[in-house]
Amino acid sequence: DQQVKQNSPSLSVQEGRISILNCDYTNSMFDYFLWYKKYPAEGPTFLISISSIKDKNEDGRFTVFLNKSAKHLSLHIVPSQPGDSAVYFCAATSSDNAGNMLTFGGGTRLMVKP
Amino acid sequence: DGGITQSPKYLFRKEGQNVTLSCEQNLNHDAMYWYRQDPGQGLRLIYYSQIVNDFQKGDIAEGYSVSREKKESFPLTVTSAQKNPTAFYLCASRPHSGRTNQPQHFGDGTRLSIL
Repeated sequence: DQQVKQNSPSLSVQEGRISILNCDYTNSMFDYFLWYKKYPAEGPTFLISISSIKDKNEDGRFTVFLNKSAKHLSLHIVPSQPGDSAVYFCAATSSDNAGNMLTFGGGTRLMVKP
Repeated sequence: DGGITQSPKYLFRKEGQNVTLSCEQNLNHDAMYWYRQDPGQGLRLIYYSQIVNDFQKGDIAEGYSVSREKKESFPLTVTSAQKNPTAFYLCASRPHSGRTNQPQHFGDGTRLSIL
């Protein structure tokens, strides 16, 4: 039972345009969500997070939106750059999870074309 | 320069052998984690530890063992009981156990292959 799903395995975007990566979750106890970026043969790098008390969090070119009623979050990258080409994972956890165990989606490969 | 160091980057094992993957962090983080990534899939939790001398099983602990004798170190042993050990193994750490809004930070991983 996948509690966090990224339904698009890949996404191709032109440089300078907006990239939108989507993530759905089923566990209503999740209240903290994170996005990680991963290059091949490297560990994931933390990008941005959002708490369930917010519906938007912005950091430079990256914005995460949370729709709690739909159990859906999205990562917007604008403008997209070739260096953004990587695999993006969304992850979720709950505040009653003492170990802060993260549940990851399967990832979306973003390709930004010059 | 603080960070999480995983060694070696590539590791080969013969069938029936145990092998230990190293993870060291100098970030003074309390909690440490081991994940496994298979091609085209997300990360799955193997074991985690919130404090020294304590650790808990994750979703896929069978065939693996860990120890946490020092705050800085969280080695993972892949035993011969692990039926499909070929994967990319990632170690992570987090500043304060028990506080939710702190992201985990990852090492660069070890790729384990069976000869």
